[in-house]
Amino acid sequence: DIQMTQSPSSLSASVGDRVTITCRAGQSIRSFLNWYQQKPGRAPELLIFEASTLQSGVPSRFSGSGSGTDFTLTISSLQAEDFATYYCQQSYRSPYTFGQGTMLDIK
Amino acid sequence: EVQLVESGGGLVQPGGSLRLSCAASGFSFSIYAMNWVRQAPGKGLEWVSGLSSSGDSTYYADSMKGRFTISRDNFKNMLYLEMNSLRAEDTAIYYCAKALVLGELSSFDYWGQGTLVTVSS
Repeated sequence: DIQMTQSPSSLSASVGDRVTITCRAGQSIRSFLNWYQQKPGRAPELLIFEASTLQSGVPSRFSGSGSGTDFTLTISSLQAEDFATYYCQQSYRSPYTFGQGTMLDIK
Repeated sequence: EVQLVESGGGLVQPGGSLRLSCAASGFSFSIYAMNWVRQAPGKGLEWVSGLSSSGDSTYYADSMKGRFTISRDNFKNMLYLEMNSLRAEDTAIYYCAKALVLGELSSFDYWGQGTLVTVSS
């Protein structure tokens, strides 16, 4: 199985901050990397697919980059509604593993 | 509007069985692969199983192989997960999730609200 490791596991930030979350794959997954946002009591929502393509309806303050084994999710200017847990997920090979999550909360 | 509505969760004893259902609407169900993803209480996401649009190809996480069976009915726009030999560690919210891209399985653009499965004596 391809292991996905996110860092940090948790992060405190303020509205307006620029935030970066990192995801590392245990082997090359080319650009087959997705990012999801999950708010408490809600299902996850797809933010970015194929490492850098913004899903329809997702604000442009979200961006993704990377290929191979190292990936980042950046939120350019945090808004109140962005405080949530973020997961990366590899879509390269079954089983389609997720990272452990990064909980982003208000400082 | 795409809608995925899971049902069938509940309390089951260890070793027992349960069948989850997911009713799909608002898109051409028969041409998209579908998946099940679960989340144990307070934990992260875990992909469980995926199924091609035709139902001919199935995929499972290692810990579910031989115990879980994914299937679909393209006439009824339904996805199923048959779970046998359930263990306490299978306790989770189970989400059905639609594949993003035609012909691919592994990115999920729409999710249901989830159904809770509790395995306990």
